[in-house]
Amino acid sequence: AQSVTQLDSQVPVFEEAPVELRCNYSSSVSVYLFWYVQYPNQGLQLLLKYLSGSTLVKGINGFEAEFNKSQTSFHLRKPSVHISDTAEYFCAVSVPSGGGYQKVTFGTGTKLQVIP
Amino acid sequence: DTAVSQTPKYLVTQMGNDKSIKCEQNLGHDTMYWYKQDSKKFLKIMFSYNNKELIINETVPNRFSPKSPDKAHLNLHINSLELGDSAVYFCASSHRHGTGDLASSGNTIYFGEGSWLTVV
Repeated sequence: AQSVTQLDSQVPVFEEAPVELRCNYSSSVSVYLFWYVQYPNQGLQLLLKYLSGSTLVKGINGFEAEFNKSQTSFHLRKPSVHISDTAEYFCAVSVPSGGGYQKVTFGTGTKLQVIP
Repeated sequence: DTAVSQTPKYLVTQMGNDKSIKCEQNLGHDTMYWYKQDSKKFLKIMFSYNNKELIINETVPNRFSPKSPDKAHLNLHINSLELGDSAVYFCASSHRHGTGDLASSGNTIYFGEGSWLTVV
């Protein structure tokens, strides 16, 4: 079975500073990887995803993530954060299973707090 | 146009009541889900349906009964509500793996805005 670990429950960072949100996963098979963002009182929205190919993935709002197979990591980065980036960020791993279905497991989330 | 819509957004009810949350998606997806997010923001899948057929049932009490009248709808009915049922419930949908345009959808799960259930 696969699992996802988000090592930091909260990350405070000053506005315009860079940020990295960490995500590690475990799986015995190949996976797809995702980062979702949840703004207060809203649903989850896809930031970016890794399916195959280039290990550096660019997403919306200036975020990017790098898939590192040897370290089983998929850390999310942004070179300069804005107040509007304050939100909860979820890493997720998807494992294709029998019958063409997928099983998606979410991490416990990291709350990014941007300080003015 | 809202891709995944669920109603009601807020629901306050007493213990022991029965309530339903409705969900509809207009994305043409075959697969729909219900997730529960607790007060610590932990997100856990409850059910998954593909084309009206139940494919995932994650040890959810049988007081929770999903119903899928067609592949665009997945409603959640909860009997005899308990205090511990208070949470945010998210409906979601996706293409079935291996279908659709993988380059664009890539099994992306599209979430509704959530339904905040408070049991008092």
